[in-house]
Amino acid sequence: AQSVTQPDIHITVSEGASLELRCNYSYGATPYLFWYVQSPGQGLQLLLKYFSGDTLVQGIKGFEAEFKRSQSSFNLRKPSVHWSDAAEYFCAVGADFGNEKLTFGTGTRLTIIP
Amino acid sequence: DGGITQSPKYLFRKEGQNVTLSCEQNLNHDAMYWYRQDPGQGLRLIYYSQIVNDFQKGDIAEGYSVSREKKESFPLTVTSAQKNPTAFYLCASSIAPPDVFGTEAFFGQGTRLTVV
Repeated sequence: AQSVTQPDIHITVSEGASLELRCNYSYGATPYLFWYVQSPGQGLQLLLKYFSGDTLVQGIKGFEAEFKRSQSSFNLRKPSVHWSDAAEYFCAVGADFGNEKLTFGTGTRLTIIP
Repeated sequence: DGGITQSPKYLFRKEGQNVTLSCEQNLNHDAMYWYRQDPGQGLRLIYYSQIVNDFQKGDIAEGYSVSREKKESFPLTVTSAQKNPTAFYLCASSIAPPDVFGTEAFFGQGTRLTVV
């Protein structure tokens, strides 16, 4: 069965600093991978996704993520965070060949300090 | 504007009562999903439906029921059999299942259910 781990429950970063949120997945073949962001009390918004091709994926709001098969990882990065990036971030994995659902990680809460 | 509408945003229920959460989408998506979100546990799948009049249990279906009589609607009923129903519930839809070239899901704004 597919699974995804986000090892960091909470991260605090200074405004303007770089950010990396970790995501590790477990799946035998090439997975489909997603990063979503959630503001408090709101739904989830897709930041970016990987399903094939270039392993470095660009998303909205200046985010990018890199798929590394050898490390089973799909870490999210941003070179310079803004106060508005404070939110909860979820990594999700989907699989091919008849898998009809996404599996989500437990999320990483990002706090930005001025 | 196309999107997913969940109502109500906040819902209070007395113990022992059933309650129905509404989810409507005008995106013409075939697939719809219900997730439950609890602090520190991420999103857990309750039910999903890939087509009208068909749905499947997710990972935590006990105490919940759904129907899919129309393409645009996928209501979730939280029954009295659900032992711990207080949570944030999210509805999502996608044009196809995620195994079709990594199709992404679009989410509603959620319903916060509190049992009093």
